[in-house]
Amino acid sequence: NAGVTQTPKFRVLKTGQSMTLLCAQDMNHEYMYWYRQDPGMGLRLIHYSVGEGTTAKGEVPDGYNVSRLKKQNFLLGLESAAPSQTSVYFCASSKGTGAYEQYFGPGTRLTVT
Amino acid sequence: GDSVTQMEGPVTLSEEAFLTINCTYTATGYPSLFWYVQYPGEGLQLLLKATKADDKGSNKGFEATYRKETTSFHLEKGSVQVSDSAVYFCALSPGGYNKLIFGAGTRLAVHP
Repeated sequence: NAGVTQTPKFRVLKTGQSMTLLCAQDMNHEYMYWYRQDPGMGLRLIHYSVGEGTTAKGEVPDGYNVSRLKKQNFLLGLESAAPSQTSVYFCASSKGTGAYEQYFGPGTRLTVT
Repeated sequence: GDSVTQMEGPVTLSEEAFLTINCTYTATGYPSLFWYVQYPGEGLQLLLKATKADDKGSNKGFEATYRKETTSFHLEKGSVQVSDSAVYFCALSPGGYNKLIFGAGTRLAVHP
């Protein structure tokens, strides 16, 4: 049981390049989330999904797109990377909302130069 | 809007000292409250939670009580260990919504 996995662990991009981060979960969870973590700011929600084929915007969605074609996978895309997107990105999944625990992946450290 | 405020760190303690990390929140309705912990190089994991007023969450010697009258959810541990060194995040989930709102995090360093 791997839980939540993220690929890649590290990435360096030049401004304007694109990339996709992959999140996979093996717990059959309906809900999946993408967060970014910046120093002194905690985690902020980028996008989330309430089930296969659905996506919704979170607190800081600009510059990112997501897709949930399969229940177990949630992809985060950067079409044209900017230095402001340098951050650590965490994926999470949960069985439900409200009081349900979110399970987090190990994170992807992205640097945009 | 809903928000979480935590005490700034870092908090530096000696082993076996008493720990308090303050957390207050602003929310409409009846949120669920959480403490998550992030060990170096890892993702976040749930430490404890409380879902209604006066509930006490506890795990691994840590405790926090949901105080609606003071809108607080302070984290406490009676005797910290070096292995407790980590970043601690207070968070709330607004009732019925698909999101967690996090505080900025408090780094704890425990020395032998």
